[in-house]
Amino acid sequence: DAGVIQSPRHEVTEMGQEVTLRCKPISGHNSLFWYRQTMMRGLELLIYFNNNVPIDDSGMPEDRFSAKMPNASFSTLKIQPSEPRDSAVYFCASSSTAYTEAFFGQGTRLTVV
Amino acid sequence: AQSVAQPEDQVNVAEGNPLTVKCTYSVSGNPYLFWYVQYPNRGLQFLLKYITGDNLVKGSYGFEAEFNKSQTSFHLKKPSALVSDSALYFCAVRDGRNYGQNFVFGPGTRLSVLP
Repeated sequence: DAGVIQSPRHEVTEMGQEVTLRCKPISGHNSLFWYRQTMMRGLELLIYFNNNVPIDDSGMPEDRFSAKMPNASFSTLKIQPSEPRDSAVYFCASSSTAYTEAFFGQGTRLTVV
Repeated sequence: AQSVAQPEDQVNVAEGNPLTVKCTYSVSGNPYLFWYVQYPNRGLQFLLKYITGDNLVKGSYGFEAEFNKSQTSFHLKKPSALVSDSALYFCAVRDGRNYGQNFVFGPGTRLSVLP
């Protein structure tokens, strides 16, 4: 298996633009997580899905952020409009059961200028 | 709700010496505990986990961790540190009683192994 695949790896955008981050979890995994990592705040859970259903989105910073999982093999995290403070590395991770570890993608480094 | 504490921001150890990276947790149900490592510009890599059974678990790259229920701790250890072990280490917990509960990560501990 190729692991968790995220795209793009790097994204530079101007303030106010819409940004869409993509994630393909490992096949057969039924939990998917979106995290944001910054120097100041560390690793923050934004949202997680179980069987394509959002279970906990309390970590989503504000209404500018939205996430979807239309099927078991694809998820998106959208920021609209983007702001410089959204600059961070965004990670997607998936796991197969409650007993197993989560596998992380390589991350998307987002820079909003 | 779960929480994880890693009391040390930074741990320095000489190459060849034993290392310990500390982790304590809080969870209402049964703790499922995990250690991850992150190298620069990379995602998090799984090292080891405790689900049930023997309190001493062994993982990748010679790492091990000891689960201590009374102290609610899950410290990461390695008998002999390598310079290549220098990285950021994260402890994480999941509540095993409530399936679907998310992974909660600690703030991370930066390990520096000095040659």
